[in-house]
Amino acid sequence: EAQVTQNPRYLITVTGKKLTVTCSQNMNHEYMSWYRQDPGLGLRQIYYSMNVEVTDKGDVPEGYKVSRKEKRNFPLILESPSPNQTSLYFCASSKADRQVEYFGPGTRLTVT
Amino acid sequence: EDQVTQSPEALRLQEGESSSLNCSYTVSGLRGLFWYRQDPGKGPEFLFTLYSAGEEKEKERLKATLTKKESFLHITAPKPEDSATYLCAVQTRRGYQKVTFGTGTKLQVIP
Repeated sequence: EAQVTQNPRYLITVTGKKLTVTCSQNMNHEYMSWYRQDPGLGLRQIYYSMNVEVTDKGDVPEGYKVSRKEKRNFPLILESPSPNQTSLYFCASSKADRQVEYFGPGTRLTVT
Repeated sequence: EDQVTQSPEALRLQEGESSSLNCSYTVSGLRGLFWYRQDPGKGPEFLFTLYSAGEEKEKERLKATLTKKESFLHITAPKPEDSATYLCAVQTRRGYQKVTFGTGTKLQVIP
């Protein structure tokens, strides 16, 4: 089954404690991205990757890091989480033309 | 700056009562406009891509249309299972890797 998986699905952490949210896709897609979704603000792109070792900033990259060492994986790293990073996070993948994006199930992060 | 505005924010329909959702956009050079459906607690699910003014696409009770300034998602004789948030997004020619989403329309269909 074609899918995008994220782990964990739910995470509660404290300010400053480094964390990683994993994302994996099994569709051999070139393009992967991370979004955060906040009430009233919609989906905002954090980082994206056009292929292995190629990443770039989206609209709201501050406080986040990513890496793309393998085509199927695109982890999101929060080196020092803060409460304003409390949000619902989605990973997505697509072919290089970006025409159809497949989203993961989401990770609900709470930073206290 | 690219802007996408969806209206209304929320819509409540009786089962069978047809209506339309609006997505207006301001971009320099539209490459594609996308419609997604999002159920509570889940990731968005792709519905349609529209590329040029005048284009229309249909899927079951949904029909998406596109003009030079806006897109409509028409829902004909909706059923309760059509209840969801509908998201619109645009992709521009100059930065095709970037997609800008609207804030969505939350649709509730009452039996």
